[in-house]
Amino acid sequence: DAGVIQSPRHEVTEMGQEVTLRCKPISGHNSLFWYRQTMMRGLELLIYFNNNVPIDDSGMPEDRFSAKMPNASFSTLKIQPSEPRDSAVYFCASSYVPGNYGYTFGSGTRLTVV
Amino acid sequence: AQSVTQLGSHVSVSEGALVLLRCNYSSSVPPYLFWYVQYPNQGLQLLLKYTTGATLVKGINGFEAEFKKSETSFHLTKPSAHMSDAAEYFCAVSSVKAAGNKLTFGGGTRVLVKP
Repeated sequence: DAGVIQSPRHEVTEMGQEVTLRCKPISGHNSLFWYRQTMMRGLELLIYFNNNVPIDDSGMPEDRFSAKMPNASFSTLKIQPSEPRDSAVYFCASSYVPGNYGYTFGSGTRLTVV
Repeated sequence: AQSVTQLGSHVSVSEGALVLLRCNYSSSVPPYLFWYVQYPNQGLQLLLKYTTGATLVKGINGFEAEFKKSETSFHLTKPSAHMSDAAEYFCAVSSVKAAGNKLTFGGGTRVLVKP
């Protein structure tokens, strides 16, 4: 298995632009998580899906952030409009429920908003 | 609600010395416990996990951790540090009742290995 695949690995964009981050979870996993990591706040859970349905989006910072999971093999996290304070590394992770075997993380997308 | 506390945001050890990273958790139900490692510019990688059974669990790269229910702890150890162990380590807790396998992470401990 290729693991959790995120794209792009790096994204540099100007303030006000729309940014879309992509994630392909491990085949057979039915839960997907989006995290944001910064030096100041550490790892923050933004949203998670179970069977393609958003279960908890309480971590999404504001309406500029949205996430979708149209099918079991693809998810997007969109920021519109982007701001410099959105600069962070965004991780996607997947797991299988039931069975608490932990998450498998992707390599992350490093977003820089200038 | 569940929570995780990692004592010490930074730990410095000499190469060959014992590595000890402390993790305490709070959970109202039997916990599942995890340690992840993050190398620079990479995602988090599972080191080891405790779900049920033997309380001493062994993971990759010579690490092990012991679940102590009475102390609500899950400390991570490695007898002899190697330069390649320099990374950030995260303790996490979940449970059979956690919706969607949701993990709660600690704040992380960054390990520096001195030659």
